[in-house]
Amino acid sequence: NAGVTQTPKFQVLKTGQSMTLQCAQDMNHNSMYWYRQDPGMGLRLIYYSASEGTTDKGEVPNGYNVSRLNKREFSLRLESAAPSQTSVYFCASRGGGAAEQYFGPGTRLTVT
Amino acid sequence: AQSVTQLDSQVPVFEEAPVELRCNYSSSVSVYLFWYVQYPNQGLQLLLKYLSGSTLVKGINGFEAEFNKSQTSFHLRKPSVHISDTAEYFCAVTFSNDYKLSFGAGTTVTVRA
Repeated sequence: NAGVTQTPKFQVLKTGQSMTLQCAQDMNHNSMYWYRQDPGMGLRLIYYSASEGTTDKGEVPNGYNVSRLNKREFSLRLESAAPSQTSVYFCASRGGGAAEQYFGPGTRLTVT
Repeated sequence: AQSVTQLDSQVPVFEEAPVELRCNYSSSVSVYLFWYVQYPNQGLQLLLKYLSGSTLVKGINGFEAEFNKSQTSFHLRKPSVHISDTAEYFCAVTFSNDYKLSFGAGTTVTVRA
């Protein structure tokens, strides 16, 4: 039982390049979330998916898109990366009826 | 909108001493409250949660927290810390029917021998 997995662990992009961050969970959870972590700001919600087939914006969605590919997988896409998107990105999932979220190990992204 | 304030950004503490990390939130409705820990270069791990019932909740690794509705606080405590407790600690809040988490800015705890 791997829990929540994320790929890649590290990535360096040039301004304007695109990339997709992958997230998968094997806990049969309905809800999945993408956060970014910046120093002194805690974690901020980018997008979330309450269930397969639905996605909604969080606090900081600009510059990002998401896809809930199936119940297991929830990807985050940067279409045209900017230095302001340099951050650590965390994916999380939550089972129905439970309040707590379970987090992946994170992806450290640097945009130059 | 709900917000979460962690009152201390850095807390240095000696090994075997007690530690308290303070968290206040702003919300006029029912909330669920959480403390997460992040060890260096790792993801977040749930320490404990308050959903309802007893206001004193116990978590993993000897941590406990007390929910105070009148003061809208959820402070985290440990009576005796170890070097391995060096980490960043996050307080988080969600509405009971929403489940989206709002996080505090984090408190870095550094335990020294």
